[in-house]
Amino acid sequence: GQNIDQPTEMTATEGAIVQINCTYQTSGFNGLFWYQQHAGEAPTFLSYNVLDGLEEKGRFSSFLSRSKGYSYLLLKELQMKDSASYLCAVGGSGYSTLTFGKGTMLLVSP
Amino acid sequence: NAGVMQNPRHLVRRRGQEARLRCSPMKGHSHVYWYRQLPEEGLKFMVYLQKENIIDESGMPKERFSAEFPKEGPSILRIQQVVRGDSAAYFCASSPPAGGNTEAFFGQGTRLTVV
Repeated sequence: GQNIDQPTEMTATEGAIVQINCTYQTSGFNGLFWYQQHAGEAPTFLSYNVLDGLEEKGRFSSFLSRSKGYSYLLLKELQMKDSASYLCAVGGSGYSTLTFGKGTMLLVSP
Repeated sequence: NAGVMQNPRHLVRRRGQEARLRCSPMKGHSHVYWYRQLPEEGLKFMVYLQKENIIDESGMPKERFSAEFPKEGPSILRIQQVVRGDSAAYFCASSPPAGGNTEAFFGQGTRLTVV
C-alpha cells in the first residue's frame, strides 16, 4: 500500500528556520519530491531527492534517507511569503506517477 | 512558454450534468497527468496519458470518469452525471518525453463545484 505522513500544521516566525518531516511507506520508489502550494494555486516544484543525503537550493534544503523512509524539507530565513502548504510526494516505479501526502500548512508570523 | 493551461478555472454543474475539464500541456511535453484534490485531502493521482494512449488509469473511478489526450488538441477529463462528491480541484501536470515526473509542472487547476 501507499502511506505518506507529514504534520498537518506548523507555525514559525519570520527569519527563523523550520523543518517539515515526511515519512513514507510505498510499494515503489522513484524519488521523493517536495512541492509548495499557496491557497488556490498550482503546486510548484521545490526539490527532488532520489539518493540519500541533503540537497541544497538557496533557502530550501531537502534530505532523504531511503532506509528509514524519511525525508525533511528545511526552510531557512523564513519570509511571510513562505506561508503555504508543503506537499511531500513519492514517485512510484515505472512512469513515476506521484503519491502525495496531505500536505503541511505552514504559517509564518511576523 | 505559457506553462500548463487548464480551463475553465472554475466550473459549476448541477447534479446529473456532465463536466469537461481541459488541459493543454507545456510546449514540447507529451506526458499528461490528472490529479484530484478534495478539501482537506492530498492530491490523488487519477490517470496518466501520452498522446492517444492511456498509460495508467489506476486512480480513475471505474464509472462516470474518462480521459483522453488526442493527437491534436488538449487533454480532456470528462465526468458524466456529476454528483456532489465530485466537487474538488482537478489539477493537470505535464512532463517532457524523457523526464517522467522529475520535471512535471502543474496547471492552475479547475475547481469543480456540483450543486
